[in-house]
Amino acid sequence: DAKTTQPTSMDCAEGRAANLPCNHSTISGNEYVYWYRQIHSQGPQYIIHGLKNNETNEMASLIITEDRKSSTLILPHATLRDTAVYYCIVRVYGQNFVFGPGTRLSVLP
Amino acid sequence: DTGVSQNPRHKITKRGQNVTFRCDPISEHNRLYWYRQTLGQGPEFLTYFQNEAQLEKSRLLSDRFSAERPKGSFSTLEIQRTEQGDSAMYLCASSPSGSGVNEQFFGPGTRLTVL
Repeated sequence: DAKTTQPTSMDCAEGRAANLPCNHSTISGNEYVYWYRQIHSQGPQYIIHGLKNNETNEMASLIITEDRKSSTLILPHATLRDTAVYYCIVRVYGQNFVFGPGTRLSVLP
Repeated sequence: DTGVSQNPRHKITKRGQNVTFRCDPISEHNRLYWYRQTLGQGPEFLTYFQNEAQLEKSRLLSDRFSAERPKGSFSTLEIQRTEQGDSAMYLCASSPSGSGVNEQFFGPGTRLTVL
């Protein structure tokens, strides 16, 4: 079973920041937080991952709370092409990914 | 394009027929994974290979399913005596092994429809 809880769906206006929350209250010390997204009819795409510190790359920022029980993925300027299902996954290195149903993000014009 | 490729992209078959899918991973990746995804759900792990060795199989992988990776490069997933419940997207992913957290890179998937 997935170890994370995410909202089923969210809307975001084009050009605004999209903030996608994820709860992982049972996360253990050696588990990383990963985010993937899946655009319709494509395979999942890696976005970002982190352990304790906040992370940023060209796609997004990942904010992890100090107690690591939750995190937020931030898409700073959402575009229509960011419409997708976003998956938050916690995983120990070497283990397989366990995907939940994710959050369906709709970016609206 | 040096990403993960899967063939065919779509397969329609009649119940009871056998089907085989192929996955070509990123060339330097020695780990290869198979997932199944049904409508509205996230991908579910089926099995994975380290080089040619099949190291883990999910209980979802019934006796009708078999996966191979004969030379540690491409992999095939065969479903025998297909059932309507096998209709799904079958995804392949690859990753390097070694140190680091090793994100998996997914292919576009093969969509199977069993009539």
